Amino acid sequence: GAVVSQHPSWVICKSGTSVKIECRSLDFQATTMFWYRQFPKQSLMLMATSNEGSKATYEQGVEKDKFLINHASLTLSTLTVTSAHPEDSSFYICSELTDPTDTQYFGPGTRLTVL
Amino acid sequence: AQKVTQAQTEISVVEKEDVTLDCVYETRDTTYYLFWYKQPPSGELVFLIRRNSFDEQNEISGRYSWNFQKSTSSFNFTITASQVVDSAVYFCALSGVNTGFQKLVFGTGTRLLVSP
Repeated sequence: GAVVSQHPSWVICKSGTSVKIECRSLDFQATTMFWYRQFPKQSLMLMATSNEGSKATYEQGVEKDKFLINHASLTLSTLTVTSAHPEDSSFYICSELTDPTDTQYFGPGTRLTVL
Repeated sequence: AQKVTQAQTEISVVEKEDVTLDCVYETRDTTYYLFWYKQPPSGELVFLIRRNSFDEQNEISGRYSWNFQKSTSSFNFTITASQVVDSAVYFCALSGVNTGFQKLVFGTGTRLLVSP
């Protein structure tokens, strides 16, 4: 399967600051990547679909001005949590969609804690 | 609308026992994929299997086996002779043709605890 990395693996920040999370496809050119959020002991919730060279598509209820997504190259998508607050503390996971198997392979995740 | 139900929140077994994780799905898509992912304590989701809706053959991979039955909309996962390393949260997921197979809908997950 595809290999996806995320950086950082964990981050602690103060309320009001912005945090950038990187998602890299290491062995595949991913035109489409996805960002998920997972609260403790809950399932994964899709936040947005990241398309290379175009604007991301956000799921209903996800604030696009708060969660900025940039997919400037075929191997890198970034998620920036702007003006983070404690309720944004969560596990953020990215994935890439491989073609033609239509299978998503996931990164190791980033644990964000906002104090 | 698509929905995946994993009714078992948590299962505890003793090593070497067999265990089956249930997954029931709902979809109006005529073509869809079903998936199982494993999430160990480290957090990373590990892909286990993908099954096409047209392929109802059961699959076996080592100690893992999957039973896909369209008649009951189920895609159950059995681990034979469980081991402590199997302890993880297991997610069943679905993607359909109407979203270009791009949207994965996850179940709520089943936490499996295998004790020595």
